Amino acid sequence: DAKTTQPPSMDCAEGRAANLPCNHSTISGNEYVYWYRQIHSQGPQYIIHGLKNNETNEMASLIITEDRKSSTLILPHATLRDTAVYYCIVRLGGTDSWGKLQFGAGTQVVVTP
Amino acid sequence: KAGVTQTPRYLIKTRGQQVTLSCSPISGHRSVSWYQQTPGQGLQFLFEYFSETQRNKGNFPGRFSGRQFSNSRSEMNVSTLELGDSALYLCASSRGLAGLTGELFFGEGSRLTVL
Repeated sequence: DAKTTQPPSMDCAEGRAANLPCNHSTISGNEYVYWYRQIHSQGPQYIIHGLKNNETNEMASLIITEDRKSSTLILPHATLRDTAVYYCIVRLGGTDSWGKLQFGAGTQVVVTP
Repeated sequence: KAGVTQTPRYLIKTRGQQVTLSCSPISGHRSVSWYQQTPGQGLQFLFEYFSETQRNKGNFPGRFSGRQFSNSRSEMNVSTLELGDSALYLCASSRGLAGLTGELFFGEGSRLTVL
């Protein structure tokens, strides 16, 4: 699976949009981009994933560049409860082995009042 | 519906002992994976079970083992505990079928302290 690069930390003001970048320059054509987050002392939580097209759900939006070498997770209106470590993960699709994810260091996001 | 349940939530052991952790996946999920999380190494994959068979294994010594039962519940065992085994052990479940979304649902974890 391709590796990812994320900034170690970022701050965001409550109510503003948080834009979390992720570089995955070695991604291959059949690899998906997944985002998870981990609030302190809890298990990671799935946020969103995508292959080529931009995706949106009730939690966030995922913007993937046309060359697929980078992506941005957007939290549209950050709240204090969004303070967490956010992980960008790239992995193969179409496999019957969904359990093995390679987590990096992630981005520590702190939402301030 | 109920989420992934891990027991016990906290436990303290001494070096040389062994420990068994339990994980009950979301109903209908057939894949269970285990991860170890430490401050120094982050989240590391231990192994994955699907239909009672180990499908993937991470780079951990043989002291770490697991199994899955016919109802998809899983246990992991660590024998001859070492101080470095102190960690948060996370279990995750998924439907486990090819072509589906592949999102993992994690439990709250079992925090193991080895003295």
